[in-house]
Amino acid sequence: QVQLVESGGGVVQPGRSLRLSCGASGFTFSRYGMHWVRQAPGKGLEWVAVTSSDGSNNHYADSVKGRFTISRDNSKSTLYLQMNSLRAEDTAVYYCAKDWQNFDYWGQGTLVTVSS
Amino acid sequence: QSALTQPASVSGSPGQSITVSCTGTSSDVGGYNYVSWYQQHPGKAPRLMIYEVSNRPSGVSNRFSGSKSGNTASLTISGLQAEDEADYYCSSYTSSSTRVFGGGTKLTVL
Repeated sequence: QVQLVESGGGVVQPGRSLRLSCGASGFTFSRYGMHWVRQAPGKGLEWVAVTSSDGSNNHYADSVKGRFTISRDNSKSTLYLQMNSLRAEDTAVYYCAKDWQNFDYWGQGTLVTVSS
Repeated sequence: QSALTQPASVSGSPGQSITVSCTGTSSDVGGYNYVSWYQQHPGKAPRLMIYEVSNRPSGVSNRFSGSKSGNTASLTISGLQAEDEADYYCSSYTSSSTRVFGGGTKLTVL
């Protein structure tokens, strides 16, 4: 069965960096586009970034462009999100989700809190 | 990248039908058949309920259906059940190759 497990969240000061990971199993990771989606406390879902199956085609939400970088290691079936210059408004649960078009499977999320 | 527009809340009694709307533009909802719907219970990850406007993944009840007309997509839940009470989000592919979600709709089963 498909499993996505996020890790790397925690408390970080404004302006600092953090890298999230998403370990995948139960499907051929290298065949699928992957996303990061976040949800601030008590708020709705916000799409963050997508990477194509081979990592060559990436797109970002305007709110994170230039600060966040999505990447993947298909040999390790792992998706990453490098987050730099973090702001208080980046505080959220970060989910990874499978599939280029339809977010058909989601992880349980990892909480990132940006606070001094 | 403006969020798609959904009603903040809808409600219905058990057995009734409800419809949640999702309005975008010709650059997202109206331009592509890549509209999907997600159910999220409190403290849980979202679950895909409808993809590509009107398709149901395996395991999703046929009480859930989707449609689209112009720049507005809709999710209909028939035969409401208590376990349907949740937040519902629509999403669409966009002309910039990004994705966008709606603001979410809280469904209350009375």
